[in-house]
Amino acid sequence: ETGVTQTPRHLVMGMTNKKSLKCEQHLGHNAMYWYKQSAKKPLELMFVYNFKEQTENNSVPSRFSPECPNSSHLFLHLHTLQPEDSALYLCASSQDQAGQPEAFFGQGTRLTVV
Amino acid sequence: KNQVEQSPQSLIILEGKNCTLQCNYTVSPFSNLRWYKQDTGRGPVSLTIMTFSENTKSNGRYTATLDADTKQSSLHITASQLSDSASYICVVSGQAGTALIFGKGTTLSVSS
Repeated sequence: ETGVTQTPRHLVMGMTNKKSLKCEQHLGHNAMYWYKQSAKKPLELMFVYNFKEQTENNSVPSRFSPECPNSSHLFLHLHTLQPEDSALYLCASSQDQAGQPEAFFGQGTRLTVV
Repeated sequence: KNQVEQSPQSLIILEGKNCTLQCNYTVSPFSNLRWYKQDTGRGPVSLTIMTFSENTKSNGRYTATLDADTKQSSLHITASQLSDSASYICVVSGQAGTALIFGKGTTLSVSS
């Protein structure tokens, strides 16, 4: 276990549904990240939060909406997704963005959009 | 453009054999390079980290090398085990505060 917990582990949703992914860490880290991993593609950075403030939005469609209420929790709200959004969504945390941060990853949420 | 290229894309070896995975990068400025192991359906876990001044670093049966001049790194796995079957991802960190750059990974299958 890396100390980063993601729920749910698996999610199947229709294109008209609204769902949320949750990420939680109690490592004392101040930076949290959402990544998308599609089949046979490298991890794609989606969002970065540093000290609860969003510092990066990697041109992610508005149907993905992140929320970081505190340094320990990160959410990804999903609505009106497309089948091509099906992927493994990984949350990670690090001490902060500066220096040589090692990212600790959660086990991911396998999302299927039908 | 900052990129990380890994080879081979996939590799199959017999248990007990050695193998070497390659990573070439064009990231500049360079801060550090990490190798992650990702088991199927799970998040990546860090194996090693190498900075500009380091040439070799070992972690058990895993040995990473770095040539900062040619911008190449390798991960050597000795006496492979079935549990080594996973994706191995090379991740490069550039200027402090910028996003990590991930390679596509090498999928290693160890068979008995």
